[in-house]
Amino acid sequence: ETGVTQTPRHLVMGMTNKKSLKCEQHLGHNAMYWYKQSAKKPLELMFVYNFKEQTENNSVPSRFSPECPNSSHLFLHLHTLQPEDSALYLCASSQVRGVYNEQFFGPGTRLTVL
Amino acid sequence: SQELEQSPQSLIVQEGKNLTINCTSSKTLYGLYWYKQKYGEGLIFLMMLQKGGEEKSHEKITAKLDEKKQQSSLHITASQPSHAGIYLCGGRGSNYKLTFGKGTLLTVNP
Repeated sequence: ETGVTQTPRHLVMGMTNKKSLKCEQHLGHNAMYWYKQSAKKPLELMFVYNFKEQTENNSVPSRFSPECPNSSHLFLHLHTLQPEDSALYLCASSQVRGVYNEQFFGPGTRLTVL
Repeated sequence: SQELEQSPQSLIVQEGKNLTINCTSSKTLYGLYWYKQKYGEGLIFLMMLQKGGEEKSHEKITAKLDEKKQQSSLHITASQPSHAGIYLCGGRGSNYKLTFGKGTLLTVNP
């Protein structure tokens, strides 16, 4: 248990579906992150939120839409995805104060797009 | 952009053997992080190194960062099946962005 939870753990969706991934952290952190992990590739940073404000969008297609209503919750809204979007989506959190703070990761959501 | 190369890509060892995983950066590192991941699960934080020549240990795992802060090694002594998993290094460059290597898959045979 890292203090970061993600739901659902597994998700299968069609290309025309709309779904959302949820992340919650219980560590009192104020920065949250979405990462994509595909086979044979390094972990790819998608979005960064500091104090609920989006500070980074790593050229992510608009079919991925993040939302951060407060410092403890992070969502990733999905619509009209492509099969190549199938991957493990990981959420992480950290303290903002001090730029070298380690990130704590959730267990991930395994997404399959049919 | 900063890139991290990990070697080897995969490693199979007999229980009780020592092993080393390497992580090399294309640029100077301002923070180096080691994580462990069970297949299909999240990353578990192991250790963070910041200073050149720094070395940290936790139980049977030791991580080092070289003086130039471009290379790190993770050494496991007397490996056990519980050490099996994917080891990832993450590094912060001068822009504070965290970049990860592709990971090293470790198998420990009983």
